Amino acid sequence: AQKVTQAQTEISVVEKEDVTLDCVYETRDTTYYLFWYKQPPSGELVFLIRRNSFDEQNEISGRYSWNFQKSTSSFNFTITASQVVDSAVYFCALGSAGKSTFGDGTTLTVKP
Amino acid sequence: DGGITQSPKYLFRKEGQNVTLSCEQNLNHDAMYWYRQDPGQGLRLIYYSQIVNDFQKGDIAEGYSVSREKKESFPLTVTSAQKNPTAFYLCASSSGTGIYSGANVLTFGAGSRLTVL
Repeated sequence: AQKVTQAQTEISVVEKEDVTLDCVYETRDTTYYLFWYKQPPSGELVFLIRRNSFDEQNEISGRYSWNFQKSTSSFNFTITASQVVDSAVYFCALGSAGKSTFGDGTTLTVKP
Repeated sequence: DGGITQSPKYLFRKEGQNVTLSCEQNLNHDAMYWYRQDPGQGLRLIYYSQIVNDFQKGDIAEGYSVSREKKESFPLTVTSAQKNPTAFYLCASSSGTGIYSGANVLTFGAGSRLTVL
């Protein structure tokens, strides 16, 4: 069975603070994919990043960075110098064998 | 612009009524999905389809039905058998099919919010 755990239900920060969203996953598959999606108040989920299980390189895209550690089954997401527009619900997801399993999401509020 | 269109955005239903949520995509994607989102919970898969005229049950299919008569359309019917239908429903699509289609990025619609009165 696949499972994704996002232990942080809600996080509140002040603008310009750095914030890390945690994601821990469980799977028996050796080939799998990990994703992060952002859901702004409008409701539509937007894709942010995908990593496969064979590529543990960290990735940076602007203010966003991702840390994939197979040894701890974690795929954490860091926003540097947060902005009010980063306020949203962020979902971590695990994909393998034809389906995607989502975590419960972390609601991030960035205050001005 | 390519994307997924869901309608209606808001829908109210009386108990005992069936309602159908529309999902149309012009991305030429093979696979389409329906997810349900409840407050504080992640997305749960209701049904998915990887090819026209074929679909599979997801984790919470009871009380729902779908059809896939056209590649671009995947309507979801919430039947009276669904005991707690009030939720936010998201339709998604992806370009990949087959055993490793878990690799594919999902493109989502804006969602339909169903409320049972």
